[in-house]
Amino acid sequence: GENVEQHPSTLSVQEGDSAVIKCTYSDSASNYFPWYKQELGKRPQLIIDIRSNVGEKKDQRIAVTLNKTAKHFSLHITETQPEDSAVYFCAATTSYTGGFKTIFGAGTRLFVKA
Amino acid sequence: KAGVTQTPRYLIKTRGQQVTLSCSPISGHRSVSWYQQTPGQGLQFLFEYFSETQRNKGNFPGRFSGRQFSNSRSEMNVSTLELGDSALYLCASRKRDRVENEQFFGPGTRLTVL
Repeated sequence: GENVEQHPSTLSVQEGDSAVIKCTYSDSASNYFPWYKQELGKRPQLIIDIRSNVGEKKDQRIAVTLNKTAKHFSLHITETQPEDSAVYFCAATTSYTGGFKTIFGAGTRLFVKA
Repeated sequence: KAGVTQTPRYLIKTRGQQVTLSCSPISGHRSVSWYQQTPGQGLQFLFEYFSETQRNKGNFPGRFSGRQFSNSRSEMNVSTLELGDSALYLCASRKRDRVENEQFFGPGTRLTVL
């Protein structure tokens, strides 16, 4: 079945450093890749997304890259701040005739040390 | 615009019982998806409902079922509860005309099975 692998499971960085989270998906028909941030005790919230016809997208300190051939996509956070500490989920969405199906990675717990 | 709401927020049940969770989507959103979130497993896709019909289903046993009403509200039912069903159950709603339409999550229902 469809699968999304996410690495690392835990990431600890110093404030100001960069953080990179990598995901691999299995369904070659996946065409939309959102990233969610979930703070402790809160619901997941979309932080950035990318469509399959785009290789890279940037929004201030956050960027996402997609390699469709390798079925890899990555989240890059630059100049990390303590408030970036959270769990980050990658996801791959596939469109079907009847609807959409979104498969999530297992999550990366990011710690930003002040 | 009001966000996605879920009731109840917390539930404690014993093995063998059944439970029904409710999700009210954002006004105008006709698609509702359900996810199970457990530590280390990320968000596992349960099913998606649109126009009162289940459109997609994840790899969960038949004890997990759902339905959607004409006002797009959705319910999820778990019968014959097992200890392993203890989790946070999240629903998410979206518009459904484009794959990149954002999913908005509810606060979740925390189910504990004793």
